[in-house]
Amino acid sequence: DSGVTQTPKHLITATGQRVTLRCSPRSGDLSVYWYQQSLDQGLQFLIQYYNGEERAKGNILERFSAQQFPDLHSELNLSSLELGDSALYFCASSVGLAYNEQFFGPGTRLTVL
Amino acid sequence: AQKITQTQPGMFVQEKEAVTLDCTYDTSDQSYGLFWYKQPSSGEMIFLIYQGSYDEQNATEGRYSLNFQKARKSANLVISASQLGDSAMYFCAMREGPRGGNTPLVFGKGTRLSVIA
Repeated sequence: DSGVTQTPKHLITATGQRVTLRCSPRSGDLSVYWYQQSLDQGLQFLIQYYNGEERAKGNILERFSAQQFPDLHSELNLSSLELGDSALYFCASSVGLAYNEQFFGPGTRLTVL
Repeated sequence: AQKITQTQPGMFVQEKEAVTLDCTYDTSDQSYGLFWYKQPSSGEMIFLIYQGSYDEQNATEGRYSLNFQKARKSANLVISASQLGDSAMYFCAMREGPRGGNTPLVFGKGTRLSVIA
């Protein structure tokens, strides 16, 4: 158990819908990262937050957005969903200043029908 | 260009034998970190081992060791005494930037390791 929690574990929805994925980092970790893992694209970095502020953006679509709240949990919002958005979405956290490892949550498997 | 290359889509190893999973990387930064993660069939990503670009000794964590050859830009993972529970996908990843930085990871496409009894 990495200490990072993600909810829900599974999500099935229809095209055009909007969903929110939630992540709680390990206690004390200030950085939260979102990654998408799909069969064709592999593991891709989406976005990073550090202590509430956006720090880095990767291959995140405009239909996707995220935020990190004062209690450091983060949410990833996916809207106007398409079939190709079906993937495993991981949240990871790290302390950010003194350590290097990123600890991953169990992931949310999103299926868009 | 690929920043992380894992050339072995799949590998088989006999139980109790050692196995090496290959990883080469591409960066112009002097400071960077290299990571290996394990992803079992259950899906979670498990951190295994880390090597910093300035670390002079190869990293070791239990049965895992990282064969770091900086001039060749390779960071191969060696698993000794393979166990059936080692069957999983293994991902090599890199973070560019100084130690202690909190930049995102770039992952390779992974190697699926199957341990045979």
